[in-house]
Amino acid sequence: QSALTQPPSASGSPGQSVTISCTGTSSDVGGYNYVSWYQHHPGKAPKLMIYEVSTRPSGVPDRFSGSKSGNTASLTVSGLQAEDEADYYCISHGGSNHLYVFGTGTKVSVL
Amino acid sequence: EVQLVESGGGLVKPGGSLGLSCAASGFTFSSYSMNWVRQAPGKGLEWVSTISSSGENIHYADSVKGRFTISRDNAKNSLYLQMNSLRAEDTAVYYCARDFCPSGVCPFVIDPWGQGTLVTVSS
Repeated sequence: QSALTQPPSASGSPGQSVTISCTGTSSDVGGYNYVSWYQHHPGKAPKLMIYEVSTRPSGVPDRFSGSKSGNTASLTVSGLQAEDEADYYCISHGGSNHLYVFGTGTKVSVL
Repeated sequence: EVQLVESGGGLVKPGGSLGLSCAASGFTFSSYSMNWVRQAPGKGLEWVSTISSSGENIHYADSVKGRFTISRDNAKNSLYLQMNSLRAEDTAVYYCARDFCPSGVCPFVIDPWGQGTLVTVSS
């Protein structure tokens, strides 16, 4: 099972929006509404930001939103803030033989 | 508060073995599937293994199948990962993580995570 494809980097100025894509196949992203997104600051535990494509856990600001079209899921961060600078990973369920398929990761920089 | 604390990381030679542990607290451990996820230096996150709440159902990534063994002791609130035939490419921070089950349903989401323990495979 190949990793889901994410752009290596994305950036925006404070207050702007940035969208990160996560491209898989019909066996993972396209086949299930089980896509989640994580924020990872180096040296810390990853933090869940979005699950089931577009659901925010309690405590996650509504500046973070998720969507999916076909085999590609997306995470949008609106109103960028300095603390949003981190690595972001998507994860999708990949069926019984590949329980979780991770994205390649995107480094978001706030200019 | 949910806490997951990994231990057992260290330096091991190629071909060697190492066992990791994860002590869980703050939730009913026996009710949740548990996972190991790793991150190699400068690389992305990679799912390693998942064990169901009872321990009956186990899944492995192809990269570790046949070499790693996940297990749990619900009486001790502990998760384990026995790693054999270690390779340089197994060098990584290993995270213990719980399944995320809002309202009793578990939609293939991993959260929360521990802080990780570093495993270095080198001669």
